[in-house]
Amino acid sequence: DVKVTQSSRYLVKRTGEKVFLECVQDMDHENMFWYRQDPGLGLRLIYFSYDVKMKEKGDIPEGYSVSREKKERFSLILESASTNQTSMYLCASFRDRALDLGNEQFFGPGTRLTVL
Amino acid sequence: AQSVTQPDIHITVSEGASLELRCNYSYGATPYLFWYVQSPGQGLQLLLKYFSGDTLVQGIKGFEAEFKRSQSSFNLRKPSVHWSDAAEYFCAVGARGSSYKLIFGSGTRLLVRP
Repeated sequence: DVKVTQSSRYLVKRTGEKVFLECVQDMDHENMFWYRQDPGLGLRLIYFSYDVKMKEKGDIPEGYSVSREKKERFSLILESASTNQTSMYLCASFRDRALDLGNEQFFGPGTRLTVL
Repeated sequence: AQSVTQPDIHITVSEGASLELRCNYSYGATPYLFWYVQSPGQGLQLLLKYFSGDTLVQGIKGFEAEFKRSQSSFNLRKPSVHWSDAAEYFCAVGARGSSYKLIFGSGTRLLVRP
C-alpha cells in the first residue's frame, strides 16, 4: 500500500514565523501535491510538483512556496505565517503524469495548522 | 472551467437507512469522476472512480455511484448506512488528457443517527 506521511498532525505557530510542513511518500511517485482544506470550500490546490526540483502553482499559491529536493519528499513553506493561513493542509501523491492511466491520488492524514 | 457542486452541506440519516449524496459537475466533455471519504482526523480515502464504461460504479465499503451524463451528475449511494459511515464525503472531477489536477467539491458531512 502507498503510504503518505506528514510530519505533524497539529501545529501551532505565531504570526510572522516561518513554517515548514513536510510530506513523504514511499512509493516512488513522480507527482506530489499540497492542498488546503477549509470548511465549505473543499480542497484547494496550493502547489504541485511533477519531478524533483520541478514545481507548478496551483489555484492559491500566494503566501506559500515549496521545495522538492528528493523524489519522496515535498515541503510546503509559509515564509511569514499569517492568521488567514490557519487551516488543514493535506499532501497527496500520484504515480503518473495523467489521470488517463486510471490512477488515483493518495492522501496523507493532514496537518492542522493554527497561526496565532 | 471545471467545477463541482455538492449541494448538501450536511445530511443526517438513521443507521440502516439508505443514503444518496449528490454531486453535479461542470465540464465540457466526459470527465473523470471520484468520490473520496474523510473520517474524522484522517486524510482522504478513495471510495470509487469513474473513467469510462459502465456508468454504475461499485466502490469500497458497499458504496456505488452512477454517472448520468444528461444530468451532469455522479451521485453516491449506499443501500444501508452503518454508524461507521459518519464522515465527510468529497466529490472530485478531473480532466481527460494530460492534466492530473483534480477539482474538489465543498464536501457533504454525513451524520448517522443510532
